[in-house]
Amino acid sequence: DTEVTQTPKHLVMGMTNKKSLKCEQHMGHRAMYWYKQKAKKPPELMFVYSYEKLSINESVPSRFSPECPNSSLLNLHLHALQPEDSALYLCASGLAGNTGELFFGEGSRLTVL
Amino acid sequence: GENVEQHPSTLSVQEGDSAVIKCTYSDSASNYFPWYKQELGKGPQLIIDIRSNVGEKKDQRIAVTLNKTAKHFSLHITETQPEDSAVYFCAAEDSTLGRLYFGRGTQLTVWP
Repeated sequence: DTEVTQTPKHLVMGMTNKKSLKCEQHMGHRAMYWYKQKAKKPPELMFVYSYEKLSINESVPSRFSPECPNSSLLNLHLHALQPEDSALYLCASGLAGNTGELFFGEGSRLTVL
Repeated sequence: GENVEQHPSTLSVQEGDSAVIKCTYSDSASNYFPWYKQELGKGPQLIIDIRSNVGEKKDQRIAVTLNKTAKHFSLHITETQPEDSAVYFCAAEDSTLGRLYFGRGTQLTVWP
């Protein structure tokens, strides 16, 4: 199983809503990532978890709150977002503490109204 | 931090021709250089990668070359096919931080 599964695929939310994006992998990877991607741009790193601990936060606004409940799951909690936060949110996983391939999910397309 | 430049931003080729995408990086400590292909509506997928102890790597129609002295690496696709049409991203890894720095991407279009 070499898949990273993200849900939901599409999400529309108002600026006062609270929602969550979910990511799951069963490849035994101990590093998990959240990226944000705007149209025609490269993925931008948001957060990195290594062995379920937050190791990198790229100065992301607090309206985005990551959570890693266990080694297979990664969540991104969303609250009081702005329209400019509309983007494709990608989850990825890889071997912690090592260089190598990142496996990306298909992404969650978020629209903030 | 690392800075990765990628050219060209768009590339159109006829089916069967070759395509070359070039990237440069700034941090001489970077030692892992992957290439990702992203099709419309999908996440990026690794197509080939190279490490700093190797100058060239091939996988069927795809090859990557690395010049560490000049700090540049290139993706070569031969005998292009319409299904090669996608956005291609190069990246360089800062192994100290364990993170990738992406180039801005190349939209490759292969015309039948």
